Amino acid sequence: DIQMTQSPSTLSASVGDRVTITCRASQSIHNWLAWYQQKPGKAPKLLIYQASSLESGVPSRFSGSGSGTEFTLSISSLQPDDFATYYCQHYNNYHFPFTFGQGTKLEI
Amino acid sequence: QVQLVQSGVEVKKPGASVKVSCKASGYTFMNYGISWVRQAPGQGLEWMGKISVYEGRINYAQKFQDRITVTTDTSTRTAYLDLRNLRSDDTAVYYCARGEVGPRLDWYFDLWGQGTLVTVSS
Repeated sequence: DIQMTQSPSTLSASVGDRVTITCRASQSIHNWLAWYQQKPGKAPKLLIYQASSLESGVPSRFSGSGSGTEFTLSISSLQPDDFATYYCQHYNNYHFPFTFGQGTKLEI
Repeated sequence: QVQLVQSGVEVKKPGASVKVSCKASGYTFMNYGISWVRQAPGQGLEWMGKISVYEGRINYAQKFQDRITVTTDTSTRTAYLDLRNLRSDDTAVYYCARGEVGPRLDWYFDLWGQGTLVTVSS
C-alpha cells in the first residue's frame, strides 16, 4: 500500500495567517493527489485535485502544489470558516487502496 | 440538485451484515463511478472500494476483500455497500462518494453522501 503522511497533525493559527500543510507519499503518485476539508459531523469537501487544480467554487486562497512524493496545501489568508481538518488522498489507479493521510487539524 | 442521499442509521450485532444504499440524483449516474469511504469515531478516512458504474469494474481494498460487496442498480440510480461478518471495529460513518471524474476519469471524490452511521454492538 502507498502510505500518505501528513504534517503537522495539528496546526494552530490565527485569522489572516498563511499556513501550509505537507503530504508525503511513500512512492511516486505523479500528480494523482487530492485535498479535502472536513468539518465535525460533515462529509469531506473536495478542495484540490490533480495536486494543484482548484475545485470549482473553492476560494482562491486555497492552493496546492507538488508532484511525485511531496505535496503541499496552502491557505493564503485564513478565514474563520477554514478551521477544520484537512486530508490528502492519493488516487493512483495502479496502486490500490486509495489511501488518505491521517489528517491535519487546523485550529485557532 | 446534484446529490447523493444515503440510507439511515443502522445498529447491528457482531457477525451480522449491513447494506447501505446511496441514491444519486441531478447527474447522469452511468457517467461516473462510486467509492465507499468510512470513518471510525474520532479517526481518519479509510477507502473501502469502488465501482465504475458504466463498465461494472470493481476494486476493493484488500483489508475488506473477503466480506465486502459493492453493487449498483442503474434503474434506480442507487449504489449499495454490503459488509458482512461485522465486528465492533466496523463501527463507523460510511460515506459514498462520486469518482471517475473528468477527462482522465480520475478517482478523486467531488460529491459525497451525507454519511450513514453503522454501530456494531452486542
